Amino acid sequence: KAGVTQTPRYLIKTRGQQVTLSCSPISGHRSVSWYQQTPGQGLQFLFEYFSETQRNKGNFPGRFSGRQFSNSRSEMNVSTLELGDSALYLCASSFQDNSPLHFGNGTRLTVT
Amino acid sequence: EDQVTQSPEALRLQEGESSSLNCSYTVSGLRGLFWYRQDPGKGPEFLFTLYSAGEEKEKERLKATLTKKESFLHITAPKPEDSATYLCAVHPDSNYQLIWGAGTKLIIKP
Repeated sequence: KAGVTQTPRYLIKTRGQQVTLSCSPISGHRSVSWYQQTPGQGLQFLFEYFSETQRNKGNFPGRFSGRQFSNSRSEMNVSTLELGDSALYLCASSFQDNSPLHFGNGTRLTVT
Repeated sequence: EDQVTQSPEALRLQEGESSSLNCSYTVSGLRGLFWYRQDPGKGPEFLFTLYSAGEEKEKERLKATLTKKESFLHITAPKPEDSATYLCAVHPDSNYQLIWGAGTKLIIKP
């Protein structure tokens, strides 16, 4: 069974630009969550989608947004990039509520 | 306030030297506790789920246990390939969102 796939693996952007990251969950998983990971802050929850609806949202500014498609694939978008947005962005899928999250290997975003 | 604390922050062991990692939590009610392993540059890899006090799970050299206030990840006779950051996450009754610990960085020297 294929795992969670995230693309691209690496991105370098300039301040003020916007970026879109993509995530394909494990087949059959309808929940997709996004996390930001930095050395200082650890894993920070961004949002969670289930059946194309945002079900939960973390404490991030509105520049961070996401969506989920009917095939459960998900994208997240960050607009007006700031230097502090440099991080590893992780996507995770799960089969149902309270079942384990399965993570992709992330997209490493560097903002210069 | 729901909180998860992992200790120690870092642990260096010789190959074969057994030890334990701690994850203590303060939540109103526990729906589940999860252990993950993360290698540099990769996403966390799921290890165990524990749902109730007294529960234990084992996988190779790892054994996870759970009490009402904490969980331990015991590592027996570790090998260099067990070197990684181990993360603990708690799913509280009060919130769908997982509460994550900061992790323990484990280094096993040959």
